[in-house]
Amino acid sequence: SAVISQKPSRDICQRGTSLTIQCQVDSQVTMMFWYRQQPGQSLTLIATANQGSEATYESGFVIDKFPISRPNLTFSTLTVSNMSPEDSSIYLCSVGTGDGEQYFGPGTRLTVT
Amino acid sequence: GQNIDQPTEMTATEGAIVQINCTYQTSGFNGLFWYQQHAGEAPTFLSYNVLDGLEEKGRFSSFLSRSKGYSYLLLKELQMKDSASYLCAVRAGGSYIPTFGRGTSLIVHP
Repeated sequence: SAVISQKPSRDICQRGTSLTIQCQVDSQVTMMFWYRQQPGQSLTLIATANQGSEATYESGFVIDKFPISRPNLTFSTLTVSNMSPEDSSIYLCSVGTGDGEQYFGPGTRLTVT
Repeated sequence: GQNIDQPTEMTATEGAIVQINCTYQTSGFNGLFWYQQHAGEAPTFLSYNVLDGLEEKGRFSSFLSRSKGYSYLLLKELQMKDSASYLCAVRAGGSYIPTFGRGTSLIVHP
């Protein structure tokens, strides 16, 4: 398994501002992902964070809105840019291990007012 | 794409056994996950099945039948703290990334 931490755990932000969420893993992992979970909904993949190259975004998500960095195999950031109330959600970092299992961080609860 | 179906909600009594089913339609199946998610918290990994059969981990067991596109999560000796949403997720089509079902909300009552 992997131990994953995220910062901040929660935040309340104003419309039009940006928030950067950090994800730290206690071991080197090849696969890192960012998900969003809106209230009462299941998990939606935003993008795969690729080490040393641009992230791979899912349909409906773009780099200008959700820029992602992954400078090494244990760390990634997701920025939610120019926020609107519709961006209020839980944002989750996830990692895939070599044996095929996938684990989630504790999440960042974002409220946009 | 993938079609993953699980019941929206289930209720059960403390101390009892409950089985949460998940059916899926996909091509190139490559693994099925079960996660537990308490309200306001992140999903917690429970199991990962790739081959047919039953895998037991303490009070929780997960079963897979690839030919039937079917899995279940079995929870024994239910406790109040087992009240949570249980997510089924399927990995398929050569992708590492699983697709998540909408989850089953389990309510355990005394």
